[in-house]
Amino acid sequence: DAGVTQSPTHLIKTRGQQVTLRCSPKSGHDTVSWYQQALGQGPQFIFQYYEEEERQRGNFPDRFSGHQFPNYSSELNVNALLLGDSALYLCASRRTGLSGNTIYFGEGSWLTVV
Amino acid sequence: SQQGEEDPQALSIQEGENATMNCSYKTSINNLQWYRQNSGRGLVHLILIRSNEREKHSGRLRVTLDTSKKSSSLLITASRAADTASYFCATDWMDSSYKLIFGSGTRLLVRP
Repeated sequence: DAGVTQSPTHLIKTRGQQVTLRCSPKSGHDTVSWYQQALGQGPQFIFQYYEEEERQRGNFPDRFSGHQFPNYSSELNVNALLLGDSALYLCASRRTGLSGNTIYFGEGSWLTVV
Repeated sequence: SQQGEEDPQALSIQEGENATMNCSYKTSINNLQWYRQNSGRGLVHLILIRSNEREKHSGRLRVTLDTSKKSSSLLITASRAADTASYFCATDWMDSSYKLIFGSGTRLLVRP
């Protein structure tokens, strides 16, 4: 049973560029969330997708956008990259319903903006 | 702002000793989950405790929850060098959104 998988593992971008990160949820999971974790801090919620729609959003600018596909996989897009966007981006998934309280995370994508 | 705050921020113990980490939060919750993170890696789920539960065990882990004090503790017994990692508590609010709010974590060092 594959867990949450993310790609790429590491990437370096230049200020002003755009980046796309990808996530496949754990088997049987249909809700995907994205988190940003700056060095030395806890993860911060970006947004959550369910049934291909954004359901919840954290305090992040519109430069951060996402998408969920019919197979439940998801993408995180960040436009006009800033140095402050350098962080570990984590994808998390869960299964809706009473038994789906546990939220699982992937290994993350390290983004460095130079 | 962070919902949960872990205490202590850093903890150094000898292998074989017990490690206790505490977490406080601000609002009513559905669940509280503990995660481990090795340096530069993803989050590994350790244990979930529901708001109507007071204590849960999983192997060498023991978690307690006191909703009246809005606090939780994670106890790791008979620690091992491999337990060296950062530990985070995460809460989700009563709105059932399952949006997790994390604290800043406890960095645990287990010395061999």
